Amino acid sequence: DQQVKQNSPSLSVQEGRISILNCDYTNSMFDYFLWYKKYPAEGPTFLISISSIKDKNEDGRFTVFLNKSAKHLSLHIVPSQPGDSAVYFCAARPQTGANNLFFGTGTRLTVIP
Amino acid sequence: DAGVIQSPRHEVTEMGQEVTLRCKPISGHNSLFWYRQTMMRGLELLIYFNNNVPIDDSGMPEDRFSAKMPNASFSTLKIQPSEPRDSAVYFCASSLGGGGADTQYFGPGTRLTVL
Repeated sequence: DQQVKQNSPSLSVQEGRISILNCDYTNSMFDYFLWYKKYPAEGPTFLISISSIKDKNEDGRFTVFLNKSAKHLSLHIVPSQPGDSAVYFCAARPQTGANNLFFGTGTRLTVIP
Repeated sequence: DAGVIQSPRHEVTEMGQEVTLRCKPISGHNSLFWYRQTMMRGLELLIYFNNNVPIDDSGMPEDRFSAKMPNASFSTLKIQPSEPRDSAVYFCASSLGGGGADTQYFGPGTRLTVL
């Protein structure tokens, strides 16, 4: 059963606009969340993360928001650039001290020039 | 610094054949992970090792799959016999493995096609 869900398989956004990628999870024990970005023919690379004790983390154009009560997180990219076109995976750590992660199915973002 | 190295990058084989995928983690990393990427399930964790010891293999789909880590710098994922439904991209990742919020670093993946 998928514990981390990304219900939108794809998203298209105009260059310069905001991209919002969503992720839902089912396990309230998850304590750390990450976003990975994947280009074709490459492995995923770490993008940004957030601890469950926070509700927002920002890094340049990328901001992750966490709503624990709704078990929902989102990644905002502002402004979107064509180079942001990739597959984005949401991931969650099951508990403090764990090394493994649960990943979602990914959302393919296309930024249109 | 070299990242995670995987070989081969592409593998095409026939049903029933044995397939061995190889991974060299980043030097100094203590945790190693094998994932399978499919459209339906995204990135599935198959197995992970801490200090060369398998910790959780609950994601290994069947007994046809096995993984080993004989030393800190090498791991293999073997499928014997292979089946068409095993066709996927297999990723290896490593992390420092300190139990904290360690970033996992992924290799480029092996695209496996079983005919």
